[in-house]
Amino acid sequence: EVQLVESGGGLVQPGGSLRLSCAASGFTFSSYWMNWVRQAPGKGPVWVSRIYTDGSITSYADSVKGRFTISRDNAKKTLFLQMDSLRVEDTAVYYCARGFAGNDYWGQGTLVTVSS
Amino acid sequence: QSALTQPPSASGSPGQSVTISCTGTSSDVGNYDYVSWYQQHPGKAPKLMIYDVSKRPSGVPDRFSGSKSGNTASLTVSGLQAEDESDYYCSSYAGSNKLVFGGGTKLTVL
Repeated sequence: EVQLVESGGGLVQPGGSLRLSCAASGFTFSSYWMNWVRQAPGKGPVWVSRIYTDGSITSYADSVKGRFTISRDNAKKTLFLQMDSLRVEDTAVYYCARGFAGNDYWGQGTLVTVSS
Repeated sequence: QSALTQPPSASGSPGQSVTISCTGTSSDVGNYDYVSWYQQHPGKAPKLMIYDVSKRPSGVPDRFSGSKSGNTASLTVSGLQAEDESDYYCSSYAGSNKLVFGGGTKLTVL
């Protein structure tokens, strides 16, 4: 059974940092593009970042470029999102999602709250 | 990276068909056959319903279908059922390894 489990969310002050993790199981993690997608309360999903199978290609939404860094450890089947210089507007549930275009599996999400 | 445009709401009676539109640009929807549709119930993660414009993942009822014309994609739900009441989001590949989502449509089954 394919599973994606996010962790690392929490309350952080503006300007602070957090590192999110997404533990994958039930599929060949190293064969898939992986994404981070966030959803602010009451809003639609917004794509944040993605990474190629071997980590050699990464891409970011303009709103997080230069502040967030995506990475992966294929040996540990884990996806990461390092979030620095956090802003109030980064408050959202962060999901990891599998796939290049159609994202067929999503985690349950982890809540990141940026507030003073 | 502007969001794709969806109507905020749609509705239909049980057994009827309803179509939800998703309008992008020639840089995303109009340029790639990588449009997906997701269903999301409150407090849950999005569920993939359609990918590559018109393909259904295993387990998705064939009442759900997708199409595209120019810069606009559409999701049609035929034979509406009460459990179809949900939020629906489209997404499209936007080039340069980026994705863009729509703002969402709340589907109400009357």
